[in-house]
Amino acid sequence: AQTVTQSQPEMSVQEAETVTLSCTYDTSESNYYLFWYKQPPSRQMILVIRQEAYKQQNATENRFSVNFQKAAKSFSLKISDSQLGDTAMYFCAFMKHDAKGGSEKLVFGKGTKLTVNP
Amino acid sequence: GAVVSQHPSRVICKSGTSVKIECRSLDFQATTMFWYRQFPKQSLMLMATSNEGSKATYEQGVEKDKFLINHASLTLSTLTVTSAHPEDSSFYICSANLRGVDTQYFGPGTRLTVL
Repeated sequence: AQTVTQSQPEMSVQEAETVTLSCTYDTSESNYYLFWYKQPPSRQMILVIRQEAYKQQNATENRFSVNFQKAAKSFSLKISDSQLGDTAMYFCAFMKHDAKGGSEKLVFGKGTKLTVNP
Repeated sequence: GAVVSQHPSRVICKSGTSVKIECRSLDFQATTMFWYRQFPKQSLMLMATSNEGSKATYEQGVEKDKFLINHASLTLSTLTVTSAHPEDSSFYICSANLRGVDTQYFGPGTRLTVL
């Protein structure tokens, strides 16, 4: 079974600074996806970034980027130029690829609560 | 694109009654939807996987007769909490899988309070 570990329950950062959230996972699968989701106080889960395991290039979305280290099974999220609106719970998630084209379930970490201070 | 709605956003009911929560994919077809439960300050706990036109697959420990799931169309899945009790009070979230992209998009959630 797959597991996802987020070792930082809480983090804080000053506005405009950069912060990195850690995530490690354990799997025997070779083809899978990794995600970072954000859950602000509204509790709406928002997709931040998606990485396909077969792609070596790290995914980026504007101020958000990942450091994907497949051999180390590490998938950290870097937030640059932090904004007050980035304050949220951040969840790292794993999903294995279904070769038959079906839909697999997400395995979530416990989350990291990020606070951006003015 | 990839918008998922959920209705109602909040519901308060009396113990013993049933409550239905709807999850809709607004701009895409979802052959698979997922239902989660989230306790305060915790991660999401998968309850069941809902497949269009077939029976849902429930996670271990989730009562099938308690949490009825119906996925009658490619854009709608419903979760019915039957004979609700105070311990069923929680935040319920659905997601829909955007096929081909293999990414789940989430609804805004439903806060259920059972008195």
